[in-house]
Amino acid sequence: DQQVKQNSPSLSVQEGRISILNCDYTNSMFDYFLWYKKYPAEGPTFLISISSIKDKNEDGRFTVFLNKSAKHLSLHIVPSQPGDSAVYFCAASAYNQGGKLIFGQGTELSVKP
Amino acid sequence: IAGITQAPTSQILAAGRRMTLRCTQDMRHNAMYWYRQDLGLGLRLIHYSNTAGTTGKGEVPDGYSVSRANTDDFPLTLASAVPSQTSVYFCASRRGPFTEAFFGQGTRLTVV
Repeated sequence: DQQVKQNSPSLSVQEGRISILNCDYTNSMFDYFLWYKKYPAEGPTFLISISSIKDKNEDGRFTVFLNKSAKHLSLHIVPSQPGDSAVYFCAASAYNQGGKLIFGQGTELSVKP
Repeated sequence: IAGITQAPTSQILAAGRRMTLRCTQDMRHNAMYWYRQDLGLGLRLIHYSNTAGTTGKGEVPDGYSVSRANTDDFPLTLASAVPSQTSVYFCASRRGPFTEAFFGQGTRLTVV
């Protein structure tokens, strides 16, 4: 039973355009959401997070949107750069359920020059 | 500051053998996690610990055990390795429930 789902295994965008990565979740108790970036042979690195009391958080080129009614979050990267090519994971945790950090399957982003 | 360190970096293990993957953090984080990464399945939580002395089961705990004797260390033990435990294992830690987690560089384990 996958509580956090990333239904697109891969995404290809042109340099300078917007990249939109999507994530759905099933557990309504999740109250903290994060996005991570992973390069091959390295550990994931934190990008941006959002708590359930907000619907948007922005950090430079990265913006995360949360739609609690739809149990959906998305990561927007504008403008996309070739160095953004990596696997992106969304993750979620629920304070009242032990704070376990649950990840999705990942989406591989390729930004073409 | 080293952050979070995993050892070994890689290992080839005969099926049936016992193996402990080590994870140490120097950030005094309360929570620690073990994940395995498999193609198409993402990062799946094996076990976690919210504070020293406590542990909990994640999504795929069978065949693995953990201990948290102190804040810094969170070893993962495979009592009797099987080929399906071939994977890349990541350890992570975070200060608390509404903070980001930091990851180690991973351990690539091959069970033959």
